[in-house]
Amino acid sequence: DTAVSQTPKYLVTQMGNDKSIKCEQNLGHDTMYWYKQDSKKFLKIMFSYNNKELIINETVPNRFSPKSPDKAHLNLHINSLELGDSAVYFCASSQGDKNSPLHFGNGTRLTVT
Amino acid sequence: QKEVEQDPGPLSVPEGAIVSLNCTYSNSAFQYFMWYRQYSRKGPELLMYTYSSGNKEDGRFTAQVDKSSKYISLFIRDSQPSDSATYLCAMSYTGGGNKLTFGTGTQLKVEL
Repeated sequence: DTAVSQTPKYLVTQMGNDKSIKCEQNLGHDTMYWYKQDSKKFLKIMFSYNNKELIINETVPNRFSPKSPDKAHLNLHINSLELGDSAVYFCASSQGDKNSPLHFGNGTRLTVT
Repeated sequence: QKEVEQDPGPLSVPEGAIVSLNCTYSNSAFQYFMWYRQYSRKGPELLMYTYSSGNKEDGRFTAQVDKSSKYISLFIRDSQPSDSATYLCAMSYTGGGNKLTFGTGTQLKVEL
């Protein structure tokens, strides 16, 4: 009955590989987000989707491509992984994109070696 | 200078103490203010959500917003060891697409 669930929980991969992270929410929300948390715990938004439409696209390298097949799912595909991509990636959701609070998943810890 | 500044701590207090956590910010457009709690290896969990200036209380937690000083606080009364976590302030503004700007978090340890 997890509200926002992400898979996998841990991801260890080598530089240059391509990987995907999946996110699903069962809260009935229509807006979903990807945030990146670095080693100093700083959380920064990457993308947001509202009803499958891209709303926020921060200055993220083109190697990162989000996809929202429906409003309950938001995936993140990363091409040509680099050492600096190592971080914890959090998916979140909210009802609408007008300042309603976000509900976060438990994160995907990505380690690039 | 970051838009939102937060002392990273760590802050160590004895059980039962009153804890005060603070953030300052520079963008006067921020109108919505949140506090999240994050346990180790978990996602941020919403604790408090306030709009504009004023106080909000929920159980042992009180959030205060002073927009004139660009300063927000979270008070925890009768702190418990289970309150040991990282506390993140976050804020957003109208028309920003619900983009949250976070502080770096304050690590709190409540000791027996």
